[in-house]
Amino acid sequence: QVQLQESGPGLVKPSQTLSLTCTVSGDSVSSGNYYWSWIRQPAGKGLEWIGRISPSGSTNYDPSLKSRVTLSVDTSKNQFSLKLSSVTAADTAVYYCARETVILIKIAATWFDPWGQGTLVTVSS
Amino acid sequence: QSVLTQPPSASGTPGQRVTVSCSGSSSNIGSNTVNWYQQLPGTAPKLLIFSNYQRPSGVPDRFSGSKSGTSASLAISGLQSEDEADYYCAGWDDSLKVVLFGGGTKLTVL
Repeated sequence: QVQLQESGPGLVKPSQTLSLTCTVSGDSVSSGNYYWSWIRQPAGKGLEWIGRISPSGSTNYDPSLKSRVTLSVDTSKNQFSLKLSSVTAADTAVYYCARETVILIKIAATWFDPWGQGTLVTVSS
Repeated sequence: QSVLTQPPSASGTPGQRVTVSCSGSSSNIGSNTVNWYQQLPGTAPKLLIFSNYQRPSGVPDRFSGSKSGTSASLAISGLQSEDEADYYCAGWDDSLKVVLFGGGTKLTVL
C-alpha cells in the first residue's frame, strides 16, 4: 500500500521560504511510472495545483507560482520536496503531496492517487 | 473563479440519484480526460473517478462518471449519508499547461 506523508514547519513568517517534504512508502520516487505532485487548499476554498516533478527531475509548475516554486526529489531518502519563496498570508493553506499518473498519448490523462493527509502551513509574523 | 465550473452545492435524500456537473472548454475537458475527487470533511481528497469514467479499486459502482464535449458529470445513485462531502472535477489544460480543479460542489444528504 502506497502512503505519502507531508512534513515541515507549520508556521512561516512573511517573506520567508516555505519548505515541505513528502516521504513516500510502498513505492519508489525513482520509478518511471509516476510524477510526484503538490496541491494546496486554503481554508474553506478549493484545490490548487502547485506543480509536479518526474523521477528524472523534470518539472511543471502553475505559471502563477512558477517564479517562487522549486521542486526536488531525493531518491536516497525516497522523498520529494517543495520550496515556496517570498510567502505571504495568501500562501496559508493545507498542503498536500500526491502521486500523479500522467499518460500522454494524443490526449492528457492525469490523476492524483494516493494523497498525503495534508499539512497546514500558516504564514504569519 | 475556476476555469472548470461546478455548482457550489447539490443535495438529495437517501436512496436518490444526484449528479454533479463540470463545465470546461476545448483546451481542457474537450481535449483531455476528467477525474473526480471526493473530500470528506476534515480529510484529504480521494480519487473517485479517473479517465472520465474509470473507478479505482474499492470505489462503489454507485459512483459513475461521464463526459460529453466540454462537460463532464459525476452521478451518485443510491445516495447514502456517508456520501456527504465536497466533490471536485479536475484535468489537464493544454493552453494553460496546468492541472485544473473545479471549484468544488458540496453535496448535502438531507
